[in-house]
Amino acid sequence: DTAVSQTPKYLVTQMGNDKSIKCEQNLGHDTMYWYKQDSKKFLKIMFSYNNKELIINETVPNRFSPKSPDKAHLNLHINSLELGDSAVYFCASSPGGTLGANVLTFGAGSRLTVL
Amino acid sequence: GENVEQHPSTLSVQEGDSAVIKCTYSDSASNYFPWYKQELGKRPQLIIDIRSNVGEKKDQRIAVTLNKTAKHFSLHITETQPEDSAVYFCAASLYGGATNKLIFGTGTLLAVQP
Repeated sequence: DTAVSQTPKYLVTQMGNDKSIKCEQNLGHDTMYWYKQDSKKFLKIMFSYNNKELIINETVPNRFSPKSPDKAHLNLHINSLELGDSAVYFCASSPGGTLGANVLTFGAGSRLTVL
Repeated sequence: GENVEQHPSTLSVQEGDSAVIKCTYSDSASNYFPWYKQELGKRPQLIIDIRSNVGEKKDQRIAVTLNKTAKHFSLHITETQPEDSAVYFCAASLYGGATNKLIFGTGTLLAVQP
């Protein structure tokens, strides 16, 4: 029973296309995140949602639009894909409140390749 | 904002030897320092964390030390085994509160040679 699941696992698409990645967690966590891991393995936070509310937006181009329909789901939509968007995108979640707020459980990652 | 530097970027050791990975952080307000292990093609997973009210924490073969004055912390792995081979990430943040960001170091590729 996967705690943080994201789909699809692999995504290959052409420049200029629009694509979405979905994420769901069954841990009852209040906070969800999107992280980007580039080819050099750098892990950078993109967005964070707490109880469906956007709380962190790390100067990501507005081609990236996260959506959280409820606190168990956080999706990422990317418009007009560029070569530089190729990366592994990790969804993560953490408990809310003052205890464990930064203890992350990651999904398995979605590898996006833009041709 | 917080900036975390991590060294070395790659580390090769013989099975049974010890491995040490070091990180420095810039924001003196940070008080939570986790370490994540990422095996090839897998997700990062938390292996140990330390809060600033302690200087050292151990869990079997892994330990983390923290020097708040110098703003650096280290991961120590003893009696390394081939299954310890992975990329290790340190991170730093202000503990608690949904708006606090976990900032990761650049990662260390540890290779344990059998």
